Amino acid sequence: GAGVSQSPSNKVTEKGKDVELRCDPISGHTALYWYRQSLGQGLEFLIYFQGNSAPDKSGLPSDRFSAERTGGSVSTLTIQRTQQEDSAVYLCASSLGPGQGNAGELFFGEGSRLTVL
Amino acid sequence: KNEVEQSPQNLTAQEGEFITINCSYSVGISALHWLQQHPGGGIVSLFMLSSGKKKHGRLIATINIQEKHSSLHITASHPRDSAVYICGISGGSNYKLTFGKGTLLTVNP
Repeated sequence: GAGVSQSPSNKVTEKGKDVELRCDPISGHTALYWYRQSLGQGLEFLIYFQGNSAPDKSGLPSDRFSAERTGGSVSTLTIQRTQQEDSAVYLCASSLGPGQGNAGELFFGEGSRLTVL
Repeated sequence: KNEVEQSPQNLTAQEGEFITINCSYSVGISALHWLQQHPGGGIVSLFMLSSGKKKHGRLIATINIQEKHSSLHITASHPRDSAVYICGISGGSNYKLTFGKGTLLTVNP
């Protein structure tokens, strides 16, 4: 596609349920990032993928959070046993990877707004 | 202390004014990014720079590596420039970005 695509755009769930958020990056972008933006807060780094591997998972807030990327393309962020404090906008971004032209410039998706009741 | 500090947090200007938003950071970096986020909207990358100055239309970004400081300038500001401007730094080979909390700019007609 032309840009980074995220789904769902909005998700309302009950506390304790699991959710999956999907990111489809720009074709050819090897680097993929997940960020979280809570109301009135800045962008919080969650995880970074280079290809299918995640060299930096340091931002995942707890073991309820996990992410995977398959085929060097689509990524899924899974939150298990959701809590109210997980409510936020989850943003995905992609970029060309190391060694590729203009590597590092980020392209963001529109985000998935998660509300945990 | 956050690695990235932006100032001011909030800025209100009249249309036509020259705007400056500042970003200071505390670690060595490979690149600095400026992003724009309109209310309820997505995030757009404005600049990525590692030295000197870049210009795009009415926007200018500068960086001083020695002083660990960057500025984003907007000339002849317009109400459509109203947005949150976010500074981010990448410090390593994995291109991970750490962001400031953003500056909310409101330009009144």
